[in-house]
Amino acid sequence: AQKVTQAQTEISVVEKEDVTLDCVYETRDTTYYLFWYKQPPSGELVFLIRRNSFDEQNEISGRYSWNFQKSTSSFNFTITASQVVDSAVYFCALSEAGSTLGRLYFGRGTQLTVWP
Amino acid sequence: KAGVTQTPRYLIKTRGQQVTLSCSPISGHRSVSWYQQTPGQGLQFLFEYFSETQRNKGNFPGRFSGRQFSNSRSEMNVSTLELGDSALYLCASSFTGSGEQFFGPGTRLTVL
Repeated sequence: AQKVTQAQTEISVVEKEDVTLDCVYETRDTTYYLFWYKQPPSGELVFLIRRNSFDEQNEISGRYSWNFQKSTSSFNFTITASQVVDSAVYFCALSEAGSTLGRLYFGRGTQLTVWP
Repeated sequence: KAGVTQTPRYLIKTRGQQVTLSCSPISGHRSVSWYQQTPGQGLQFLFEYFSETQRNKGNFPGRFSGRQFSNSRSEMNVSTLELGDSALYLCASSFTGSGEQFFGPGTRLTVL
């Protein structure tokens, strides 16, 4: 069964702190894709990153970095030197290449609040 | 390049009515997916269309239906609205379904 778990419901940090959002997934497919989205109060889901299951190389984009570890089925997201504008709900999602291609399985999201 | 657009942005309906929501994908994208977001259930998959064919369907009652047109625009319809259908309805487009999925701003439906 496909499942995405974001154990952290809410995280609060002070500006400039580093913060890591955890994501653990379950799938039986060998080919799958992992995503992170940001949902600000406006409601629109903003695409941040997509990784495929064959590419475990970590990625850095500015203050954002992602750590993909197949051995622990985790795809964690770190924000370095957080800013108030990072406050949002962050969703981790899984998509499989098999019969459910095109369908995203979402975690319940982590509400990140960054205080000035 | 224009993003995903959804219309209308807000809707207020009463129980028993029906509603049609529209989604225009990014130009060139052939896959459109629909999701329902509620505080209690989170983001739930409704269905996905690719080249006018429904390729996947989530666990929603038959009151929820959709279609996709030859220009990849998609509509979803909810008949006999219930209070529990109040939600943010999001659509996402991607080139094939496995690539990056980009979301529209959503339609916030309130059922009274």
